[in-house]
Amino acid sequence: AQSVSQHNHHVILSEAASLELGCNYSYGGTVNLFWYVQYPGQHLQLLLKYFSGDPLVKGIKGFEAEFIKSKFSFNLRKPSVQWSDTAEYFCAVLNSGGGADGLTFGKGTHLIIQP
Amino acid sequence: EAQVTQNPRYLITVTGKKLTVTCSQNMNHEYMSWYRQDPGLGLRQIYYSMNVEVTDKGDVPEGYKVSRKEKRNFPLILESPSPNQTSLYFCASSLTGTGIGNTIYFGEGSWLTVV
Repeated sequence: AQSVSQHNHHVILSEAASLELGCNYSYGGTVNLFWYVQYPGQHLQLLLKYFSGDPLVKGIKGFEAEFIKSKFSFNLRKPSVQWSDTAEYFCAVLNSGGGADGLTFGKGTHLIIQP
Repeated sequence: EAQVTQNPRYLITVTGKKLTVTCSQNMNHEYMSWYRQDPGLGLRQIYYSMNVEVTDKGDVPEGYKVSRKEKRNFPLILESPSPNQTSLYFCASSLTGTGIGNTIYFGEGSWLTVV
């Protein structure tokens, strides 16, 4: 079965610091990759997605992610974080197999931005 | 507005008392799914449905039932809730499934506590 690893379960940063959240997946075939954000008390919202083409993907709120196929990675980045970025972030992978195993989530990274 | 709607958003119930969490989407999506989110475990899939009258077990189906009589609705049924089903539940949908090219849309979540 495929798996998704988010290496940092909790991250604390100061405002204006740069952010990089790691995501690695195990599936070797064609994949679609997503980052979702969950603000406190709210549902999951799509930050960005990679389907094909340019491996550097830009999303909402100044976030971007880079797909590196050779490293099975899809790390999320933001050059300067804000207090409002405090949230839980989930990496998710769709593989070409489809079905129940087609969508796998990481366990999430809880990001806290200190003013 | 395109959305996935869940009800109730918050519920406290007692062990053994049957309950249903409703989910409705207005995007004419074929695929719908239920997840539960628990601290440190991320999102785990309970059941999914590829289309009307087609449902399948996800990773953690024990203690749950679903039905898909209409395309827009996918209720989650707990016949005899137990405390270990205390969790945050998300309904999700996508156009044609979890294959390549799909984006998954989430509801706002239902907080369920079983005492």
